[in-house]
Amino acid sequence: DIVMTQSPDSLAVSLGERATINCKSSQSVLYRSNNKNYLAWYQQKPGQPPKLLIYWASTRESGVPDRFSGSGSGTDFTLTISSLQAEDVAVYYCQQYYSTSPLTFGGGTKVEIK
Amino acid sequence: EVQLVESGGGLVQPGGSLRLSCAASGFTFSTYWMHWVRQAPGKGLVWVSRINSDGSSTSYADSVKGRFTISRDNAKNTLYLQMNSLRAEDTAVYYCARDPRTSLDCWGQGTLVTVSS
Repeated sequence: DIVMTQSPDSLAVSLGERATINCKSSQSVLYRSNNKNYLAWYQQKPGQPPKLLIYWASTRESGVPDRFSGSGSGTDFTLTISSLQAEDVAVYYCQQYYSTSPLTFGGGTKVEIK
Repeated sequence: EVQLVESGGGLVQPGGSLRLSCAASGFTFSTYWMHWVRQAPGKGLVWVSRINSDGSSTSYADSVKGRFTISRDNAKNTLYLQMNSLRAEDTAVYYCARDPRTSLDCWGQGTLVTVSS
């Protein structure tokens, strides 16, 4: 199984400041055949289901604000919120799609306002 | 509008059974792989099972293998999860999610399963 490790577990950021979340996979999630990293990021607010933010490591889902960006390749990935807004308070999860059996998620990173 | 609506959750005794349903609308259900993902209270997301578009291929997490069965009825646009021999550790919100082969791009609101005596 591909193990996904997120860091930090939580972070507090001032409004308007940058938030950075890291995700590391235990093996590469880069498909050589199409040069795409099968890594997605989700946002989950309290009492709500997860919402897809980014797939292929850096492609924003339709309707996602451009303050959210994803980067990285192979085994190391980052989700960046360039200017934190109050509505961004949530738990963020990374997930690999390289192997669909099983799909695996990171443990989550809780983002709060400082 | 793409929509997934889960139902069938509830309180069940250890060793009991439940069948969850996920009604899909707003998209061509029969062309998508589908998944079940669960989340225990206060915990993270855990993948449970997936099924391919025509139902000919399924996969399960080790923790539910042999106890849970995923299936679908493309004529009814509905995904199912039959859960047998339920344990306390199966207590969670169960989400169904759509798979466009890159991620899970649409999730239902979830249905709570509580296993307790």
